[in-house]
Parts: sequence; structure tokens; C-alpha cells
Amino acid sequence: EPEVTQTPSHQVTQMGQEVILRCVPISNHLYFYWYRQILGQKVEFLVSFYNNEISEKSEIFDDQFSVERPDGSNFTLKIRSTKLEDSAMYFCASSVSQEKSSYEQYFGPGTRLTVT
Amino acid sequence: RKEVEQDPGPFNVPEGATVAFNCTYSNSASQSFFWYRQDCRKEPKLLMSVYSSGNEDGRFTAQLNRASQYISLLIRDSKLSDSATYLCVVNWGGTASKLTFGTGTRLQVTL
Repeated sequence: EPEVTQTPSHQVTQMGQEVILRCVPISNHLYFYWYRQILGQKVEFLVSFYNNEISEKSEIFDDQFSVERPDGSNFTLKIRSTKLEDSAMYFCASSVSQEKSSYEQYFGPGTRLTVT
Repeated sequence: RKEVEQDPGPFNVPEGATVAFNCTYSNSASQSFFWYRQDCRKEPKLLMSVYSSGNEDGRFTAQLNRASQYISLLIRDSKLSDSATYLCVVNWGGTASKLTFGTGTRLQVTL
């Protein structure tokens, strides 16, 4: 069964450094998302992406964040200058298969980001 | 008022028991509803979508009450492997818009 994949599984970085989190969504999906979950808290929406542009973003997704689909398979989240409070699990998700008209979102295994 | 509210639990039940989780949501314009399951430090996994007519998948039954803005999940004949956090999730922006998560209800099934 197709899955969303993410790399790396764990990223440790120093405050102020840039990080890029990578995702490969399910191949026939059209919408892509990033969510984050701070330890012990609920999953929070960051951004959605469709047709090569951002379709929706949350207050969390400020100028330090950007997303890109550099080729036909990858979807990336960049944090320009990381802060301690960016430490969280970052989940990529994808949805909307044209064939099945399904709007359910499927999540990747996540990247644990630790900012020191 | 929280957008999606759940009892955090934990619910501790013996194997074979029936357990029910409830969830309320604040936005009456909500369009789609889901239950996800999350194991410790893992990704949310879709358990089932929730339809107005109610739906069942094996031991799991989900119900939606739009008038009361209330969603439920019933698990029959609990297994040890059902131990996880159950997330109530709502989409109110449109077909493919963002999901809004509850904080989750933790279930621990014991021998």
C-alpha cells in the first residue's frame, strides 16, 4: 500500500541554523500538508500546498517557514533560522486522489526536530 | 472554547471490554470528521471517517450528531493492540483543507 515517507527521522540542529525536512507524498495525491506536534501537545496544522502554491497556512507558519515542491515527488519544509520552540515532531501528509475522490489525509512517520 | 474537545483519559479497560469515546466540536460549519489513532511518538493513522448515518468497521463504530456537534467512537471486544491515543479530527474549511485535531483520548487495554 502506498505510504508517505519522510527524511530524516531525527534532526538535531543548533538554534539559528536552517533545516530542511523532506517528504515524499503518495504518488497520485494532489494536496500536501505539514503539521507539527510539540511533545505532549496536540497535532497542529502548519500549511497546505496545492498546484504548486500554498493554499492555506496557520499563524505558526511565519516568514521563517517555507515550503517547496522541487520536483515531481518531493515536498520540503524549510525553517530558516530555528528557535528552541521549533523543537517538535513534524508530520507531512497528503490527500485527494483523483481516482478515488477521497479527501482523507495520510500521514508520514514524522521527523523529530530537536533544536539545541 | 476549544475547537475540538476530548476527554484526555486515560481509559483503562480489560481485554474484551467495550469502550466509548466522545468528542465535541465548536464549529457548526464543520464538513468532515475522522477518528485517527496515534501510538506513542508515531504518526496519526486514519482509523475511520465518520458519516452522518454512522458507520461501522469491524469492532469499531463511529457516530456523528450534527445537531449536538458531537462525535463518538465505540470499540467492542477491546484487544491489547487497541492501546493507543484516539484523536478526534475535524475538517471545516472544505474538501481538502486543514485538519483540526483534538488532544486525544488515551486508551490502555489490560489483561
